[in-house]
Amino acid sequence: KAGVTQTPRYLIKTRGQQVTLSCSPISGHRSVSWYQQTPGQGLQFLFEYFSETQRNKGNFPGRFSGRQFSNSRSEMNVSTLELGDSALYLCASSLAGLTSDTQYFGPGTRLTVL
Amino acid sequence: SQQGEEDPQALSIQEGENATMNCSYKTSINNLQWYRQNSGRGLVHLILIRSNEREKHSGRLRVTLDTSKKSSSLLITASRAADTASYFCATDMNYGGSQGNLIFGKGTKLSVKP
Repeated sequence: KAGVTQTPRYLIKTRGQQVTLSCSPISGHRSVSWYQQTPGQGLQFLFEYFSETQRNKGNFPGRFSGRQFSNSRSEMNVSTLELGDSALYLCASSLAGLTSDTQYFGPGTRLTVL
Repeated sequence: SQQGEEDPQALSIQEGENATMNCSYKTSINNLQWYRQNSGRGLVHLILIRSNEREKHSGRLRVTLDTSKKSSSLLITASRAADTASYFCATDMNYGGSQGNLIFGKGTKLSVKP
């Protein structure tokens, strides 16, 4: 089975722009979660989608949004980029998002905001 | 906010030695998971231990869980240079059945010298 894929792998944007990141889960997985990783804050949960519905959301401003499509692929969008948004964005998929499910992570998208 | 806190923050050992990393958490959990991350790349799932389990093995890995102390340890035996990575513990919030919200510690950076 193919693993979780994320595109693009690297992005450079300037302040004020917006960006869309994409995540394709493992085939058959219906839950997709997004995380932001920075040296200062570590790994922080952004949101989780299951069957095209946002089920959980972390403590991030409304500039961060996401969606999930009927094939379970997910996108996240960050509008009005700030320097502090520079981070590694990781998505993870699991079968159903249950506590007993393992989350499988993609390689991440490295976003640099100048 | 961080749920898990790993200790030590950094660990340097020689190949062949054992490496022990500890994780403490604050609230009750369903499961605790350990992940490995190589140099800013995606996370690789290592092992999941349920709250009703005390010890689990997987190859050279041994994980213990003490729910009374809210702590877990990861032991890597006979370490190899390829084990050089950051290791994170992750816990879920004990609510409902969704694990969409995994809470990560800041990680232990392990360096194994050949």
